[in-house]
Amino acid sequence: DAGVTQSPTHLIKTRGQQVTLRCSPKSGHDTVSWYQQALGQGPQFIFQYYEEEERQRGNFPDRFSGHQFPNYSSELNVNALLLGDSALYLCASSFSTGWFTGELFFGEGSRLTVL
Amino acid sequence: AQTVTQSQPEMSVQEAETVTLSCTYDTSENNYYLFWYKQPPSRQMILVIRQEAYKQQNATENRFSVNFQKAAKSFSLKISDSQLGDTAMYFCAFMKHGSGANSKLTFGKGITLSVRP
Repeated sequence: DAGVTQSPTHLIKTRGQQVTLRCSPKSGHDTVSWYQQALGQGPQFIFQYYEEEERQRGNFPDRFSGHQFPNYSSELNVNALLLGDSALYLCASSFSTGWFTGELFFGEGSRLTVL
Repeated sequence: AQTVTQSQPEMSVQEAETVTLSCTYDTSENNYYLFWYKQPPSRQMILVIRQEAYKQQNATENRFSVNFQKAAKSFSLKISDSQLGDTAMYFCAFMKHGSGANSKLTFGKGITLSVRP
């Protein structure tokens, strides 16, 4: 049973560029959330996708956008990259039906460095 | 809005000893979950233990247990018989009770735990 998988694991971009990060949820999960974790800090909620729609959004600018596909996988896009966007981006999945225990399953993250 | 505070940035413990990590939170919700997550250098966030706010009994998972004080909004993690593999960053986190389609975690800043041989 594959867990949450993310790609790429590491990438380097320059200011002003655009980046796309990808996430495949755990088998049986239909909800995907994205978090940004700056170095030495706790993760911050970016947004959550369910039924291919953005359901909740944290305090992030419109430069951060996402998408969820019919197979429940998801993409996070960041436009006009800033140095401050350098962080570990974590994807987490959960299921919407049945008895939800509160547990989210996380991937290993994509480390983005903006130069 | 919910906030989670972890005021200790670092802690160190001798192998086989017991250590307690502190966490306080603030919320106006009555029904919620609290979690401790572990993040080793591999970066993957791993659930250590979960507490549902309506349950008065403190959660335990093998060597890990919590002291949940709802009125004081305090949620500490006790690790007994510390092992070298416990070395990691530990995050306290909050989630409003609801479905998986409406599940958002609010994390504290984390604490770096080092277990000394």
